Amino acid sequence: SSELTQDPAVSVALGQTVRITCQGDSLRTNYASWYQQKPGQAPVLLIYDKNNRPSGIPDRFSGFSSGNIASLTISGAHVEDEADYYCNCRDSSGYYWVFGGGTKLTVL
Amino acid sequence: QVQLVQSGAEVKKPGAAVKVSCKTSGYTFTSHWIHWVRQAPGQGLEWMGIINPNGGSTGYAQKFQGRVTMTRDTSTSTVYMELSRLTSEDTAVYYCARDHSNSHANAWWLDPWGQGTLVTVSS
Repeated sequence: SSELTQDPAVSVALGQTVRITCQGDSLRTNYASWYQQKPGQAPVLLIYDKNNRPSGIPDRFSGFSSGNIASLTISGAHVEDEADYYCNCRDSSGYYWVFGGGTKLTVL
Repeated sequence: QVQLVQSGAEVKKPGAAVKVSCKTSGYTFTSHWIHWVRQAPGQGLEWMGIINPNGGSTGYAQKFQGRVTMTRDTSTSTVYMELSRLTSEDTAVYYCARDHSNSHANAWWLDPWGQGTLVTVSS
C-alpha cells in the first residue's frame, strides 16, 4: 500500500511564511488535496486539483507539487491558522485513497 | 447548499456492530461518490472506503475488508457505513465526505464533510 509522509509538527512566527510538505509515491501520478482541521471540528478542504482554493479560503494558502512531494504554503501566517493539516491522495495502484499523518502547525 | 448530515453518537459493546448514516442534500445524490474517514482520539485521519451512490459499488481499505459494509438508499439520498466486530480500537469519530474528481488531471478531493459521528466502544 502507498503511504504519505508529513512532518508531525511545524511552527511559524506570526506573519511569516511556512511550508508543509507531504511525500509519497502516489504523488508522482496523482495530485494531493489539503485539509485544515481545528480541534473538535470536521476537516475543511483548503487546496485541490493542482493549486485551486474553494471559495472562502484565503489566498495566503497555496499548493505546489513536484515529483513525489506536495507542499502547502501559508504566506503570512495568522493566529487562526494554528491547526492540523492533512494531505490526501488517491493511490496510483489501487482503488483507494490515503491520508498523510498530519502536521500540527503552531503560530508563535 | 450542499450538506452531509450524520447520525448521532453511539455507544457499543465490544463485538457488536454500528451503523452510521450520512444524509445528503443540495445536489444530485447519484452524481458524487461518498468517502468514509475515521479519526481515533488524538490521532490522524484514516480512509476507510468509498461508495458510488449510482449503483452501489464500493471500495474498502484493506484494513477494513470483511468488517465494513457501505450501502446507500437512493430514495432518501442517504449512505450508510456499518462496521462489525467492534473493539476498543474502533472508538473514533467517523466522517462521511463527498468526492470530487478531475480525472483529466488525476486529481480527487473531498468536500464537504459531514459533522462527524462519535462511536465509543466500551464494555
